[in-house]
Amino acid sequence: GAVVSQHPSWVICKSGTSVKIECRSLDFQATTMFWYRQFPKQSLMLMATSNEGSKATYEQGVEKDKFLINHASLTLSTLTVTSAHPEDSSFYICSAGVAGLSYEQYFGPGTRLTVT
Amino acid sequence: AQSVAQPEDQVNVAEGNPLTVKCTYSVSGNPYLFWYVQYPNRGLQFLLKYITGDNLVKGSYGFEAEFNKSQTSFHLKKPSALVSDSALYFCAVRDEGGSYIPTFGRGTSLIVHP
Repeated sequence: GAVVSQHPSWVICKSGTSVKIECRSLDFQATTMFWYRQFPKQSLMLMATSNEGSKATYEQGVEKDKFLINHASLTLSTLTVTSAHPEDSSFYICSAGVAGLSYEQYFGPGTRLTVT
Repeated sequence: AQSVAQPEDQVNVAEGNPLTVKCTYSVSGNPYLFWYVQYPNRGLQFLLKYITGDNLVKGSYGFEAEFNKSQTSFHLKKPSALVSDSALYFCAVRDEGGSYIPTFGRGTSLIVHP
C-alpha cells in the first residue's frame, strides 16, 4: 500500500516550453502533497506544499508563476514548469502525506527534467 | 524550530561489517524521526520511524535506529552491510507540536565495498 506514482519519469524539453509533471497517490487519499527539487548529490529542497482544493504554499525563493502547482483532487497533484530554462533542469520528486500522528510521507519515483 | 544534521557526507564500510549513519536533531517539543533511503534516479523509500515507545526501532531491510533523547540522536544501524545497501540515506525530523512538514538532513552517501 501507500504507492505514489509520477509521470513522466523523465522528460527533455526545449527552452521556453512548459512541462507538466503528474503526481498520483494510487491506493490512498493524500491530505497534502509536497514537491521537492533535488540537485545532483544534494539534499531535497522543498518547493511547495499543497492541499486538495486550495492554493499551494510556496517556500521562500520559489517562483509561484514559474512553478505552477495544482492539487485537483485527493489523489492528484501537478507541477507545471512554465517557460523552462536550462537552469530548471533537475530531479523533481513529489510526496504525499496522510494526516495522522506521524505524518509519514510517501514519495514518488521522481521525474528527471532536462531543458535544452 | 526544528532542524536535523547528518554530519557525514559519505560513509564507507566493507561488506559484512556493521554500519552506522549518524543523525542528530533539534526540536522544541517531542520529535518524530524518520529515515529514508534513495537509490540512484529514484524517489525516497521509507525505512523506519520513531514516534514513541521503545528507543530501538526496527525497520525495512534489516536496518534499525536508536533514539537517544539525551544526545538528541537517531543513528541508523545495520549489523552486517550488503553491497546493495549502497545508496543515499536521509534523516528527517518533525516537531510534535510544530509544523507538519518534516525537515530533511542533507543526506549521507553510504558506500559498501565488496
